[in-house]
Amino acid sequence: EVQLVESGGGLVQPGGSLRLSCADSGFTFSNNYMNWVRQAPGKGLEWVSLIYTGGSTYYADSVKGRFTISRDNSKNTLYLQLNSLRAEDTAVYYCAGGVTRYYLDYWGQGNLVTVSS
Amino acid sequence: EIVLTQSPGTLSLSPGERATLSCRASQSVSSSYLAWYQQKPGQAPRLLIYGTSSRATGIPDRFSGSGSGTDFTLTISGLEPEDFALYYCQHYGSSPRVLTFGGGTKVEIK
Repeated sequence: EVQLVESGGGLVQPGGSLRLSCADSGFTFSNNYMNWVRQAPGKGLEWVSLIYTGGSTYYADSVKGRFTISRDNSKNTLYLQLNSLRAEDTAVYYCAGGVTRYYLDYWGQGNLVTVSS
Repeated sequence: EIVLTQSPGTLSLSPGERATLSCRASQSVSSSYLAWYQQKPGQAPRLLIYGTSSRATGIPDRFSGSGSGTDFTLTISGLEPEDFALYYCQHYGSSPRVLTFGGGTKVEIK
């Protein structure tokens, strides 16, 4: 069974940076499309970023130029570098992946990022 | 960019009743790219339906999806206590390459 374990969240000041990690215990990480999805407190789901198996990356307009998604297939780990953080980036960040880029068939437990002074 | 509008915002039903949730796209989309998720409080979302009508692994057959073009539906044929939750539809767009979620429908116990 695939399990995604996230780490790296916490409290950061506006303008600060943070790096989230997501370790995949499955055997097919390198073949999977991986995403970050976030959920602000009491709000709905917002897609943040997608990385293809080959490394191509895509971002929501709200984070483009500030966030960077990457993957290390040798470590079965997905990353999200968050820079120039704003209060509106406060959310639970989920990593999620799948065998296709069309939908997300497995999810991590979520990691809270709080941007506040 | 596609906008997904879910209705109603909240559905109040009793166990055993049928739930019908709507997801409307701002323009016609491929049915291959439409999925549904369930989310319970404090938990990550779980994939229910992909490709409009295919159930994900382990999803009971009381959950079904249908639709085409701009109108899609998730139906729960007889609500079980564990089905009271939030439900989101999601679309994958190929140009631009983005994923979009609807605003969600909460199914609550009446």
